[in-house]
Amino acid sequence: KQEVTQIPAALSVPEGENLVLNCSFTDSAIYNLQWFRQDPGKGLTSLLLIQSSQREQTSGRLNASLDKSSGRSTLYIAASQPGDSATYLCAVRPDGNKLVFGAGTILRVKS
Amino acid sequence: GAGVSQSPSNKVTEKGKDVELRCDPISGHTALYWYRQRLGQGLEFLIYFQGNSAPDKSGLPSDRFSAERTGESVSTLTIQRTQQEDSAVYLCASSLGLNTGELFFGEGSRLTVL
Repeated sequence: KQEVTQIPAALSVPEGENLVLNCSFTDSAIYNLQWFRQDPGKGLTSLLLIQSSQREQTSGRLNASLDKSSGRSTLYIAASQPGDSATYLCAVRPDGNKLVFGAGTILRVKS
Repeated sequence: GAGVSQSPSNKVTEKGKDVELRCDPISGHTALYWYRQRLGQGLEFLIYFQGNSAPDKSGLPSDRFSAERTGESVSTLTIQRTQQEDSAVYLCASSLGLNTGELFFGEGSRLTVL
């Protein structure tokens, strides 16, 4: 059974810092991995999608990497801003049907 | 539509009542998913629709839960005889239906069972 773990569970950093969020998964047989952010009381916003054949994806200040063989992904946020404060969720797609989610990392960027 | 649309955004009901939650996926998306998120917890998969194939109902927690989808459009999630433990945010997502497709989520329907 695929399990997804995110570390740390919570993170508080001062504005301007670069930071890394970690995601690990137990079964390397995945189609892709997707990072989301969730603001309080809101739905999920897709940030980056990495296919199993890819090593990384970039969007603005965000960079996500994927090491499928070791079951790891990282989300790098450069020059963090208070508006980046949210819960960040990692999800893997082990088959065609559904994503398996981690519990998330709660990020707070202090101004 | 431009995004995944869910209604109602909030629903308060009494224990034992039935509720219906609606999801309108992005136009052209053949795959539709329902997830549940209890307060402070992660997302639980409920059900998945892909085109005209039989839905994957493996995540439905009990026979009080059911879902339907008309073709490749709107889906309704029905919870019968609601219980307090059903209180959660119910999130709907859609994708192009490929194994490699990106999922897009709606804002969710927050259900509170008194």
